[in-house]
Amino acid sequence: EAGVVQSPRYKIIEKKQPVAFWCNPISGHNTLYWYLQNLGQGPELLIRYENEEAVDDSQLPKDRFSAERLKGVDSTLKIQPAELGDSAVYLCASSCRTGGGGGQPQHFGDGTRLSIL
Amino acid sequence: SQQGEEDPQALSIQEGENATMNCSYKTSINNLQWYRQNSGRGLVHLILIRSNEREKHSGRLRVTLDTSKKSSSLLITASRAADTASYFCATISSGSARQLTFGSGTQLTVLP
Repeated sequence: EAGVVQSPRYKIIEKKQPVAFWCNPISGHNTLYWYLQNLGQGPELLIRYENEEAVDDSQLPKDRFSAERLKGVDSTLKIQPAELGDSAVYLCASSCRTGGGGGQPQHFGDGTRLSIL
Repeated sequence: SQQGEEDPQALSIQEGENATMNCSYKTSINNLQWYRQNSGRGLVHLILIRSNEREKHSGRLRVTLDTSKKSSSLLITASRAADTASYFCATISSGSARQLTFGSGTQLTVLP
């Protein structure tokens, strides 16, 4: 099966500019996650979708971050405006149902590495 | 916030040796998972152990779980250069909204 696809792989922008990341999960996976990973750290959850519904967005900085998952398939994560501290890797993952608790592993994309100048 | 803490932060061994990484966590868990991340890539699920299990094997991997000490270990036997990666433990807390919380990882380097 094809894996989780993310684009772009790299993005360099100036601070205060907007940026968007795209994720295509594994076909049939109804749960989608966006994570932020700082250098030398583990991923931290930003938002989790069950189909098209955001069921856990408590860690998403809603003043500048937004996400959507239209039709319960692809998802986009947007930052507007970007700040210097947003430089990180943004990872998308999917699972066939809520991963972990039900014993289903999460499948990760290779991430988007964001650099803010 | 990070739930787990891996120890050591970095480990360097020779090919053929065994590598042991430890993970400690803070709250009661439903299950614990280990993931591997190669440089510049996404995480790959390795193994899951449930809170009522004490040991699990998968190929060259052996995972133990001690819920009384809130700790787990990952043993990689007969290591290979291709095992060079970062290894993360991740937990699902009991009664949580099934959020997977990752530790800060162990960077393993296997020298040929």
